[in-house]
Amino acid sequence: EIVMTQSPATLSLSPGERATLSCRASQSISINLAWFQQKPGQAPRLLISGASTRVAGVPARFSGSGSGTDFTLTISSLQSDDFAIYYCQQYSDFPRYTFGQGTRVEIK
Amino acid sequence: QVTLKESGPVLVKPTETLTLTCTVSGFSLTDPRMGVSWIRQAPGKALECLAHFFATDGKFYNPSLINRLTISEDSSRGQVVLTMANMDPVDTATYFCVRNYYDSSAYYILDYWGQGTPVTVSS
Repeated sequence: EIVMTQSPATLSLSPGERATLSCRASQSISINLAWFQQKPGQAPRLLISGASTRVAGVPARFSGSGSGTDFTLTISSLQSDDFAIYYCQQYSDFPRYTFGQGTRVEIK
Repeated sequence: QVTLKESGPVLVKPTETLTLTCTVSGFSLTDPRMGVSWIRQAPGKALECLAHFFATDGKFYNPSLINRLTISEDSSRGQVVLTMANMDPVDTATYFCVRNYYDSSAYYILDYWGQGTPVTVSS
């Protein structure tokens, strides 16, 4: 099983600040990585696939980068709607998808 | 418009069998580009894939739960059903059904999620 490790567990930032979230895979997954946003009481929402391709309707302040084992999700300027939990997920090892434990982005 | 909606019991007793139904609309379960996964989220825990149904590639199960899980589909009704036997309190979680879409990268992407259905296992 490919283990996905996210850091930090919690990120405390103010609106307008830049958020940098990390995700590491236990083995190379090329660019087969997705990022999801989850708000309380809601299902995860797909933001990015292919490590860096934003889904239609996702604001440009969200960007993804990385390949192989190390990936980053950057939110360039946090808006109030962005405070949530973010999960990375690998889909390289079909069908044994695995998720990271999540990074909570909270208001400082 | 793609939607997925889970339904099933909120409360089950230990040792009972859980049956959850995912009703989909906006796409066909016979479309070779599509699949449906069941994924759960226990309180404070990571998301965990349970089982998958793919129109082209068949059915797959989480190896650690394979002896307890069955996934089936009724394309005419647009439904995917998950059964999980011998429920235990550690199976308390929110259960999601999720669409898989085979995109241009030649991989399946988890693109649309149902709202999730909470299941508590308690006597």
